Amino acid sequence: QKEVEQDPGPLSVPEGAIVSLNCTYSNSAFQYFMWYRQYSRKGPELLMYTYSSGNKEDGRFTAQVDKSSKYISLFIRDSQPSDSATYLCAGGMEYGNKLVFGAGTILRVKS
Amino acid sequence: DAGVIQSPRHEVTEMGQEVTLRCKPISGHDYLFWYRQTMMRGLELLIYFNNNVPIDDSGMPEDRFSAKMPNASFSTLKIQPSEPRDSAVYFCASKRTSRDTGELFFGEGSRLTVL
Repeated sequence: QKEVEQDPGPLSVPEGAIVSLNCTYSNSAFQYFMWYRQYSRKGPELLMYTYSSGNKEDGRFTAQVDKSSKYISLFIRDSQPSDSATYLCAGGMEYGNKLVFGAGTILRVKS
Repeated sequence: DAGVIQSPRHEVTEMGQEVTLRCKPISGHDYLFWYRQTMMRGLELLIYFNNNVPIDDSGMPEDRFSAKMPNASFSTLKIQPSEPRDSAVYFCASKRTSRDTGELFFGEGSRLTVL
């Protein structure tokens, strides 16, 4: 079993939809949780970062971490075609120096 | 800022050849990371450095892999001899020490194909 599990999709939604992306993790020592976005043939870029449990909102994006159930979520409101990318969740320890990434979910937003 | 710069962007080589991948981190960043991404295994941490010193190389798959950071602005990942299963995209990333985890900045990757 991988330490971070993520459904690879692809997930296809119409423009304007609310998107929910989810991951589960198994290492209870994880304290740092992140979502990265990766466009085709590019490097990942940080979208959201959360320390321990809780919610964090940034514009159309909301990240949630529930440490009791070891569940990580990313919500995208009013999705746009430019949101089409692979979304990688990650958990880690040691100030995030040893991040473990999920496999990534491919998201396609249709106009 | 130019971002993390990796070279070559693409490399095709034959089994048994030596491969050297290069990385220039963002100026002022004191952490440097090497990751490998494949369809089967996703994005995996190979090794990371702090202030040019290797801190954790537990992700390096075999002795055929080695990484160096001779100064703050340059790092190499070497595979010798290369094998077809080493085919992957290799990413370099850097970050600055901060009060919390700090943001990892990734380069655009080096796509390696070993025939």
